[in-house]
Amino acid sequence: DGGITQSPKYLFRKEGQNVTLSCEQNLNHDAMYWYRQDPGQGLRLIYYSQIVNDFQKGDIAEGYSVSREKKESFPLTVTSAQKNPTAFYLCASNDRGSQPQHFGDGTRLSIL
Amino acid sequence: QQQVKQSPQSLIVQKGGISIINCAYENTAFDYFPWYQQFPGKGPALLIAIRPDVSEKKEGRFTISFNKSAKQFSLHIMDSQPGDSATYFCAASSRETSGSRLTFGEGTQLTVNP
Repeated sequence: DGGITQSPKYLFRKEGQNVTLSCEQNLNHDAMYWYRQDPGQGLRLIYYSQIVNDFQKGDIAEGYSVSREKKESFPLTVTSAQKNPTAFYLCASNDRGSQPQHFGDGTRLSIL
Repeated sequence: QQQVKQSPQSLIVQKGGISIINCAYENTAFDYFPWYQQFPGKGPALLIAIRPDVSEKKEGRFTISFNKSAKQFSLHIMDSQPGDSATYFCAASSRETSGSRLTFGEGTQLTVNP
């Protein structure tokens, strides 16, 4: 089954701790995206990558970092600099320059 | 210029009724307008999408109406069912200015009462 796998489903972060969210896709898509979803708000773009070893900041990149060493993987690190990290994080992918975007089932991050 | 405004924030309809959700945009370079459906604890899934060369697209009970001059588009759900209860997001993108990046509306929580 082709799709996007996000793990873990739930994640808890202690104050001052960095945490990494995993996103893996087997759709052979070039482009991958990370979004943040807060209650009552739309999806806001954190980072995106159009090709391996390249990525760009989205609208709310502060306090986050990413890497794209493999086509199928695009992990997101929520750093201690992100002061309000509690949210639902969604990963998506598509063929570069085309639509639609396909989404994983998200990781819910909470603060301990 | 990149914003997409969505209304209403929440909507309650009776089973069998018509659900209507509206979106408005400013960026005239937008050339792709999808609607996504999201159930609790799940990622959004593409429901239906339209490009500005047509004014309407229908897939089953779901219809997108597109008004290029008004820069508005809407989702109509005919014969709404309790299983349609979900959050709906409109979005837009521009191949010219943003590639495949999507700008999302704020979402509409739809409840269909049995």
